[in-house]
Amino acid sequence: EDQVTQSPEALRLQEGESSSLNCSYTVSGLRGLFWYRQDPGKGPEFLFTLYSAGEEKEKERLKATLTKKESFLHITAPKPEDSATYLCAVREINSGGGADGLTFGKGTHLIIQP
Amino acid sequence: DGGITQSPKYLFRKEGQNVTLSCEQNLNHDAMYWYRQDPGQGLRLIYYSQIVNDFQKGDIAEGYSVSREKKESFPLTVTSAQKNPTAFYLCASSTPQGTNTEAFFGQGTRLTVV
Repeated sequence: EDQVTQSPEALRLQEGESSSLNCSYTVSGLRGLFWYRQDPGKGPEFLFTLYSAGEEKEKERLKATLTKKESFLHITAPKPEDSATYLCAVREINSGGGADGLTFGKGTHLIIQP
Repeated sequence: DGGITQSPKYLFRKEGQNVTLSCEQNLNHDAMYWYRQDPGQGLRLIYYSQIVNDFQKGDIAEGYSVSREKKESFPLTVTSAQKNPTAFYLCASSTPQGTNTEAFFGQGTRLTVV
């Protein structure tokens, strides 16, 4: 069972049509949830970090929210330049105290048509 | 500018050859990571390192090796034992465990077996 599940896999919107991307997670203890944007052939670009349920972060047309089971990335009045793959990742509480990598979802491929 | 530099951007390998991917960072980060990205899949952790001269296996370490002789550098060797090495490889770095900060990524190396 995947620890991080993103939906939908792909989403096509008209310019100005607001929507939300979902990231659900099933880790035993969440230390942080991270959103990234990835353009084709490039490395992921950091967007937001959320640490606790109820937390919200905003940047331009993007707003990320967090509950105990999922996170949403809301996109308001998107533009064609918002087209990208959006990745969600979680970092679990590590009882051993060692640094660990992030566990990523498979991403949502977003296309904004002019 | 501070950042993470991966080289080369494209790499071709013949069957049975070992190849080394370079990753250098000037962010003064202690932790560094290698991920593999395949189409339709999330990023998967290969190896990570918290400090110089120390590293741990991630989820898919078989057929790979790393070294961490300097804080700035974390090269990844893809050995002939890796059965399916064609993929997009991403290096990342972050501040140490305990700060729970985001990871920053390089622009990736696309490896193709010919």
